[in-house]
Amino acid sequence: EAGVAQSPRYKIIEKRQSVAFWCNPISGHATLYWYQQILGQGPKLLIQFQNNGVVDDSQLPKDRFSAERLKGVDSTLKIQPAKLEDSAVYLCASSLGDRVTDGYTFGSGTRLTVV
Amino acid sequence: DAKTTQPNSMESNEEEPVHLPCNHSTISGTDYIHWYRQLPSQGPEYVIHGLTSNVNNRMASLAIAEDRKSSTLILHRATLRDAAVYYCILKGGGYQKVTFGIGTKLQVIP
Repeated sequence: EAGVAQSPRYKIIEKRQSVAFWCNPISGHATLYWYQQILGQGPKLLIQFQNNGVVDDSQLPKDRFSAERLKGVDSTLKIQPAKLEDSAVYLCASSLGDRVTDGYTFGSGTRLTVV
Repeated sequence: DAKTTQPNSMESNEEEPVHLPCNHSTISGTDYIHWYRQLPSQGPEYVIHGLTSNVNNRMASLAIAEDRKSSTLILHRATLRDAAVYYCILKGGGYQKVTFGIGTKLQVIP
């Protein structure tokens, strides 16, 4: 099966600019996650969707970050305006559902550098 | 506020077994133990998961302590391609947030 697709692979922007990341999950996976991974740390959950509804966005900085999952398939994550501390790898993951036995499939991520 | 504790780094010689420990003393009765690994410049990939019994698959084995407060991921013969960061996470039901710690960076020495 095809994996989780993310684009772009790399992005460099200046602070206060905006940026958007795109994710296409595995077909049939109802649950989609966006994680932020700062260098040397583990992934941190930003937002979790079940189909096209948000089930957890408690760690999403909502003053600058937004995410949507239209039609319960593809998803975009946007940052506006970006800050230097947003430099990180943004990982998208999907799973069949949210059962305890459902594993995650991650994409390769988008490496964002804010200068 | 990771719910699991792992050593920051470990080394292993190539073709020898590797035992990666994880402590999860606050595990609840319904939490499954999942292991993922992250190769350089890639997203994490699933390795194995279990609840109470020891588990085996083509990638690794998972040994779970009787009291479930710790577990060990076993790579039977480490290869250079196993050099990665290994994460142990707890996954409960009902949309409980999963927290990744910093994991164990495994170095495999030729």
